[in-house]
Amino acid sequence: DTGVSQDPRHKITKRGQNVTFRCDPISEHNRLYWYRQTLGQGPEFLTYFQNEAQLEKSRLLSDRFSAERPKGSFSTLEIQRTEQGDSAMYLCASSGPGVGYNEQFFGPGTRLTVL
Amino acid sequence: AQTVTQSQPEMSVQEAETVTLSCTYDTSESDYYLFWYKQPPSRQMILVIRQEAYKQQNATENRFSVNFQKAAKSFSLKISDSQLGDAAMYFCAYPSGTYKYIFGTGTRLKVLA
Repeated sequence: DTGVSQDPRHKITKRGQNVTFRCDPISEHNRLYWYRQTLGQGPEFLTYFQNEAQLEKSRLLSDRFSAERPKGSFSTLEIQRTEQGDSAMYLCASSGPGVGYNEQFFGPGTRLTVL
Repeated sequence: AQTVTQSQPEMSVQEAETVTLSCTYDTSESDYYLFWYKQPPSRQMILVIRQEAYKQQNATENRFSVNFQKAAKSFSLKISDSQLGDAAMYFCAYPSGTYKYIFGTGTRLKVLA
């Protein structure tokens, strides 16, 4: 297993465009998380899936954001009508039964720049 | 509210010396985990060390150890024999509720040759 992967690694878009990011978790992990990290800050929780069910969403996740995890495997995070304030690193993490699901394994992130 | 505080935005250490990064947290839970993650520049976040709150013994992983003081809600990371590869952002993290992490703001560690 090669760990959590994210695609693309970098995305530059113009304000108002839609973007979609993909995350492939570690194969045996049934929990998947999305975080947003702005420069010089710690990651902030956005949303969480257990299998295909989205169980929790942060108030940071406005109506322009939507996340899915069809069939409980990979996940996508879509941002509609991007704004300059959406520029950030978007991190995906997954966890499994080991350590009581508490240990999360992170992907390399997708860095979004909105011009 | 559950919070994690890292009060040192930046720390410097000479190669081969020891440095301690501070973290305090606030929770009403009695049993939980705490984690330190390392995020090198432009690279992904990796786990450095974990501590289980019900264990009184401080966790150790090679050159990395913690000083966990549950009553004080303090969870500091000690790096011994610092190496150039230790230079990174270090984040303290607390799993909350459904195990979403609450992160501190991070400490940037510089290692001086």
